[in-house]
Amino acid sequence: EAGVAQSPRYKIIEKRQSVAFWCNPISGHATLYWYQQILGQGPKLLIQFQNNGVVDDSQLPKDRFSAERLKGVDSTLKIQPAKLEDSAVYLCASSLFAPGLAGGGAKNIQYFGAGTRLSVL
Amino acid sequence: GDSVTQMEGPVTLSEEAFLTINCTYTATGYPSLFWYVQYPGEGLQLLLKATKADDKGSNKGFEATYRKETTSFHLEKGSVQVSDSAVYFCALKGNTGRRALTFGSGTRLQVQP
Repeated sequence: EAGVAQSPRYKIIEKRQSVAFWCNPISGHATLYWYQQILGQGPKLLIQFQNNGVVDDSQLPKDRFSAERLKGVDSTLKIQPAKLEDSAVYLCASSLFAPGLAGGGAKNIQYFGAGTRLSVL
Repeated sequence: GDSVTQMEGPVTLSEEAFLTINCTYTATGYPSLFWYVQYPGEGLQLLLKATKADDKGSNKGFEATYRKETTSFHLEKGSVQVSDSAVYFCALKGNTGRRALTFGSGTRLQVQP
């Protein structure tokens, strides 16, 4: 089966510019996550969607970051305006889990895309 | 809140050496525990997981045992290969509330021929 697709792979912008990332999850996966991975650190959750609804965006800097998942499939993450500290790899992940599915196990495994590496100059 | 602490790297080993990467966690209840691996230029891949105390996850010669009493999930491999060179991330997922992963900071493993 096809994995999580992300684009672009790399992006270089100047501070105060805007940028958008795209993610297409594995077909049928209800849950989609955006993580930010700063160099030398582990990924940190930015936002979690369940179908097209937001489950958790408590760590999303909402003054500059926004995300949407129209129709509950693919998703875009936008930064406007970008700051130097936004330089990171942005990872998208998806899992099968959906409300009403009993138990955990394989349904909760998160599958990651290759990420988009953003450099803000 | 939930947190994961990993030993700092890089860890440099010779081929066929024994590997241990320490991981401890803080969480309420009974989280699920994971090891993810990130090869150069690639995304995170699930290496192994354990969902309850005393479970042992294993894959590709790697093992980790969920130790509730010591809140640990150390990664081990008896004989590493050059191809195991990568960054390894320990992570947990709580069984209440949010279902996103909480990651450690990662440990880079370098295996020399």
